[in-house]
Amino acid sequence: QKEVEQNSGPLSVPEGAIASLNCTYSDRGSQSFFWYRQYSGKSPELIMSIYSNGDKEDGRFTAQLNKASQYVSLLIRDSQPSDSATYLCARISGTYKYIFGTGTRLKVLA
Amino acid sequence: EPEVTQTPSHQVTQMGQEVILRCVPISNHLYFYWYRQILGQKVEFLVSFYNNEISEKSEIFDDQFSVERPDGSNFTLKIRSTKLEDSAMYFCAAGGAGSPEQYFGPGTRLTVT
Repeated sequence: QKEVEQNSGPLSVPEGAIASLNCTYSDRGSQSFFWYRQYSGKSPELIMSIYSNGDKEDGRFTAQLNKASQYVSLLIRDSQPSDSATYLCARISGTYKYIFGTGTRLKVLA
Repeated sequence: EPEVTQTPSHQVTQMGQEVILRCVPISNHLYFYWYRQILGQKVEFLVSFYNNEISEKSEIFDDQFSVERPDGSNFTLKIRSTKLEDSAMYFCAAGGAGSPEQYFGPGTRLTVT
């Protein structure tokens, strides 16, 4: 049973548009969620963390958490070609162990 | 963003050989982790380490794997007898007390031939 699910993509959006990335999870007890960006051949880079229901904004990024529906999303406003990467959703399990999804590949078209 | 460094960036080894991957976390980090990512697959948890002992490990982390932090600085992952299927990117991650956020090092690409 998959614990964190993401659409693998690719999700293609034009430059300047809003990119919407989604993630669902199966463990109702999950409390903490993270979005990482991973460029090809590179390591995951933390973008956002979210722990409470609702929205959390940081610059062009907004994370949304809905624990009742068990989904987390990431919105990227004014998408740039440099945002093209794979976006990984992760949740905490146990002693700060991360469970990652397979990631969604985003392509921002210039 | 706090920086975690890893060496080597790429390690090529023959099947059956021992390898040691090294990580230098930020000094105020207390929690340390190893993850691996096989090419084209998701990032998988291997082990977490706190207060000089393993706090959790996955099914992947069998008797062939070990971790230690011998000098209070370097955090190492040892694979005793490598297999072809150990070929992957290995990422070290670190986090501080009271925060579940983890910061990843650049990774070591391990190729077992």
